[in-house]
Amino acid sequence: GENVEQHPSTLSVQEGDSAVIKCTYSDSASNYFPWYKQELGKGPQLIIDIRSNVGEKKDQRIAVTLNKTAKHFSLHITETQPEDSAVYFCAALPYGGSQGNLIFGKGTKLSVKP
Amino acid sequence: DTAVSQTPKYLVTQMGNDKSIKCEQNLGHDTMYWYKQDSKKFLKIMFSYNNKELIINETVPNRFSPKSPDKAHLNLHINSLELGDSAVYFCASSRTGDAEAFFGQGTRLTVV
Repeated sequence: GENVEQHPSTLSVQEGDSAVIKCTYSDSASNYFPWYKQELGKGPQLIIDIRSNVGEKKDQRIAVTLNKTAKHFSLHITETQPEDSAVYFCAALPYGGSQGNLIFGKGTKLSVKP
Repeated sequence: DTAVSQTPKYLVTQMGNDKSIKCEQNLGHDTMYWYKQDSKKFLKIMFSYNNKELIINETVPNRFSPKSPDKAHLNLHINSLELGDSAVYFCASSRTGDAEAFFGQGTRLTVV
């Protein structure tokens, strides 16, 4: 079955710097890769996603890249702000699976210092 | 106008008790889910359910059972609670076939 590894587990950056979180997946048939942000005391919220037919996707200060050959995808946050501080989860959806089959990474706690 | 709401937000109970967590969504979605997040923040699907199919993660003990009175609600019943059941439980919903899920704010269950 699918396995998702996420690194680093914690990441601390200065406000204004960039942050990069990396994930690898094992099932080459997986075709959907969302990123969720979880703030303290709240549920995860989808912030960006990418499908396997696309190599990069951007939404303002966040971007996701996908390397299907290497089976890894990354989240890039530029010009970080204190409100970006949260736990970020990557996930992978195996081909043919419904959302309930999402396999999550173990999360990255991002701290942005003012 | 909360999209996915869970009650209660906090639940403290003794071992051996039976408890329920309620979930309601007003998004018109037809698929709902329960996730468990352990103390290390690891998120794992427990159930996914629509009006046609209940999919159970095989690792979930049968003490856990989802009950759906209608499309907008999916409650989680837990029998004979154990210490290891302590976790944050998240309800989520989506449109069938749409990978994006909307999560509730979570229920922190503490078994003492």
